[in-house]
Amino acid sequence: EVQVLESGGGLVQPGGSLRLSCAASGFTFTSHAMSWVRQAPGKGLEWVSGISGSGGNTYNADSVSGRFTISRDNSKNTLYLQMNSLRTEDTAIYYCAKDTYSSGFHRFDDWGQGTLVTVSS
Amino acid sequence: SSELTQDPAVSVALGQTVRITCQGDSLRSHYASWYQQKPGQAPVLVIYGKNNRPSGIPDRFSGSSSGNTASLTITGAQAEDEADYYCNSRDSSGNHPFGGGTTLTVL
Repeated sequence: EVQVLESGGGLVQPGGSLRLSCAASGFTFTSHAMSWVRQAPGKGLEWVSGISGSGGNTYNADSVSGRFTISRDNSKNTLYLQMNSLRTEDTAIYYCAKDTYSSGFHRFDDWGQGTLVTVSS
Repeated sequence: SSELTQDPAVSVALGQTVRITCQGDSLRSHYASWYQQKPGQAPVLVIYGKNNRPSGIPDRFSGSSSGNTASLTITGAQAEDEADYYCNSRDSSGNHPFGGGTTLTVL
């Protein structure tokens, strides 16, 4: 059974930093790109960052570029999101999602339950 | 442009058919995937590619695409289909933006 489990959320002051983790199991981790998707309170889904299976390619939404860094440790089957210079507008539930590409089609086919990040003074 | 546009809200009578659309330039090159999200829950994939359903998704859910528009159709909507629906696609930069979401009400 595929499982992705986020951790590391919490309360942080504006300008602070936080690192989220996502522990994955039940699939060949290196064969899948992974992404972080967030959802601010009462708002829609926002794709934040993505990383290839090898970790060699990363992608970021403009809203977090230069502040957030996605990475992975394939020896630990773990995905990370280092968040620096946090702003109040970064307050959201952060979901870890497994990317799958097959037959040329992409989808996020497995999601964690999310971890809440609150940026407030 | 990487933007995907969805109608904010749609309603359907119980047992009737409803179509939820998603528009964006990236859809001319890449298929959309669709996600259902109920309050307090993580999103769930319902449709991807040309018209593929993950196991466990009822066959009343279907997808289609034409030009810059992707559509999610629910044929015979049920009360449990009331939820928010989001489309997603890849853009030319390798990013994966979501549409703004559509709230489906089943009357």
